Amino acid sequence: QSVLTQPPSVSAAPGQTVTISCSGSSSNIGNNYVSWYQQLPGTAPKLLIYDNDKRPSGIPDRFSASKSGTSATLAIIGLQTGDEADYFCGTCDDSLSAAHWVFGGGTKLTVL
Amino acid sequence: EVQLLESGGGLVQPGGSLRLSCAASGFTFSNFAMNWVRQAPGKGLEWVSVISGSGGRTYYADSVKGRFTISRDNSKNTVYLQMTSLRAEDTAVYYCAKGEFVVPAVMGGMGVWGQGTTVTVSS
Repeated sequence: QSVLTQPPSVSAAPGQTVTISCSGSSSNIGNNYVSWYQQLPGTAPKLLIYDNDKRPSGIPDRFSASKSGTSATLAIIGLQTGDEADYFCGTCDDSLSAAHWVFGGGTKLTVL
Repeated sequence: EVQLLESGGGLVQPGGSLRLSCAASGFTFSNFAMNWVRQAPGKGLEWVSVISGSGGRTYYADSVKGRFTISRDNSKNTVYLQMTSLRAEDTAVYYCAKGEFVVPAVMGGMGVWGQGTTVTVSS
């Protein structure tokens, strides 16, 4: 059971928009920055979003994210087949040991 | 180019030990905290441990505390994870991931990940 809650799967057609939610509590999302990671099949995770809503260089602006209270949301617009991947949210949890990261269980995105 | 390359994984019996290495290149290694994150087969990500840039601060997940030890050699640009008393539930792909500050921090996320090394604990 993951500390952060994500839907197991989402799906949408190419060109459409999809959102992935990440729910936590006041000790993690509510009090810390959230980052999002994309894991393409058979590869390592890749940073997609950091500090709630910032994109690293090279990440298309089709990817965006926001945080409100104890929840965060990743949005992908103009879906492409290459976006099919697992997406994870992550942050630190102040109720655990210092610098203790927690992740969501991951959401599998299927582009129909 | 910033790169991380893990090694040292393999098959080990329950109760055994293994040392993982993560060789870094393309950045000033001592300026950044380093994490180990694992992923059991078909499962999500689980943070394991982090070490500050100097090596002076280390933190562990409860699931590995007392069994795993993180360390680094800044002269070799390498971070290690010494794993002892291994259990079946430690079976996973182990990734090293670079922090964005010299101290462990949530800011900046984990910006660079290695390709992972597989640890299988089985008799």
